[in-house]
Amino acid sequence: GDSVTQTEGLVTLTEGLPVMLNCTYQTIYSNPFLFWYVQHLNESPRLLLKSFTDNKRTEHQGFHATLHKSSSSFHLQKSSAQLSDSALYYCALHNQGKLIFGQGTKLSIKP
Amino acid sequence: DAGVTQTPRHEVAEKGQTIILKCEPVSGHNDLFWYRQTKIQGLELLSYFRSKSLMEDGGAFKDRFKAEMLNSSFSTLKIQPTEPKDSAVYLCASSLGGGAEVFFGKGTRLTVV
Repeated sequence: GDSVTQTEGLVTLTEGLPVMLNCTYQTIYSNPFLFWYVQHLNESPRLLLKSFTDNKRTEHQGFHATLHKSSSSFHLQKSSAQLSDSALYYCALHNQGKLIFGQGTKLSIKP
Repeated sequence: DAGVTQTPRHEVAEKGQTIILKCEPVSGHNDLFWYRQTKIQGLELLSYFRSKSLMEDGGAFKDRFKAEMLNSSFSTLKIQPTEPKDSAVYLCASSLGGGAEVFFGKGTRLTVV
C-alpha cells in the first residue's frame, strides 16, 4: 500500500545553519499530492506547505520543498534555521481522500 | 470561525473501561478524520468519514475502536474496552475534501492505567 518514509527521527542543528528534512513516498497513483505539517509543542499539527506539481518549488514561511516524482521525494528545506523552528514535522501523502503520514521528524534548534 | 473542537482534553481510564471521545469539525467541512498520535508510531489513521459516511475504519483498530458520525457537526470515538497500550493523544481533524487543508483539533490525551 501507499506509504511515507521520514528517515530521521531527530535532527539537531545550530541556529543559522540550513535545514533539510527527508521525505520519500510510495504510491500507485501517478499524480501524488504531498504535504508538510508542523506541530509545535502543546499544539496541534498545522499545514506548512503542499504540492502536486512535479519539479516545482513551493514555499511558505521561509521553508520550501520540491516534489520530485522521479525519486518519489518531497524534502523540506530552509536556508537558515531559527530557534522558533523547533517542532515536530510530518510529511504526508494524500490518498483517496485521507492523509497518510510519515513517522515525523523532531527538529531541535540550538542557540 | 471555530476550528475543530475536541472534548475532553484529558481522560484517565482504568483498564477495561469504555471511554467516548467527542469531536465537532469545522462547520461546512465534508471530511472528518480520527488519528492516534504516539511518539513511536506518529500519526495513525483510525477512521475517515466523508459526508457522514464511513470510508475507512483503520484496519488494525477495528476490534475495540468505533467511530460514529451522527450528524455533520458531531462525531464520537468509542474505545471499548480500554487497554494500557491505548494511552496516546487522539486527534480529530476535518477538511473540505479533495486534497484541501486538513485542520486538527487540540486532541484528547488518554491515559489508561
